[in-house]
Amino acid sequence: AIRMTQSPPSFSASTGDRVTMTCRASQGISSYLAWYQQKPGKAPKLLINAASTLQSGVPSRFSGSGIGTDFTLTISCLQSEDFATYYCQQYYSYPYSFGQGTKLEIK
Amino acid sequence: EVQLVESGGGLVQPGGSLRLSCAASGFISSSYWMSWVRQAPGKGLEWVANIKQDGSEKYYVDSVKGRFTISRDNAKNSLYLQMNSLRAEDTAVYYCAVTLSRIYKYFDYWGQGTLVTVSS
Repeated sequence: AIRMTQSPPSFSASTGDRVTMTCRASQGISSYLAWYQQKPGKAPKLLINAASTLQSGVPSRFSGSGIGTDFTLTISCLQSEDFATYYCQQYYSYPYSFGQGTKLEIK
Repeated sequence: EVQLVESGGGLVQPGGSLRLSCAASGFISSSYWMSWVRQAPGKGLEWVANIKQDGSEKYYVDSVKGRFTISRDNAKNSLYLQMNSLRAEDTAVYYCAVTLSRIYKYFDYWGQGTLVTVSS
């Protein structure tokens, strides 16, 4: 099974900041990676698929990059609504797996 | 508008059974793969199972193989998860999700989830 490791587990930032979080796969997954945003008590929301393709309706301040084993999610100018937990997910092979999440908190 | 509405969660004793349902609307659910994903209280997301459009292919995470069965009724636009031999570690919010891509299996839309609590 492919293990997904996200870092950091949590961090604090301020509105307007540029932030980057990482996701590492235990083996190569090409670009078969998605990013989700989850707010407390809500279902996850798909942000990015294929490592870098922004979903329709997702603000352009979100971007993703990477291929193989190392991936990043960047938010270029944090807004108040971006404080949430972010998960990466590989869909390269079964069983599909998620990272443990990165919680983004307000400083 | 795509909508997924789960139901059937509740409190069940260890070793018991429960059947979850997911009602789909706003799209032709029979055209897409569908999945169950769960989240234990305060924990991360775990993919549980998925099923092909016609039900001919089903995949499960190892921890539920032999205990859970995913199925669908396309005439009713519904997805199901039959859960048997439940354990405390199955306690979680269970989400159904749909994959709109014909090739790639990420999850485009999610329901609001239904809570399953396994406890004596």
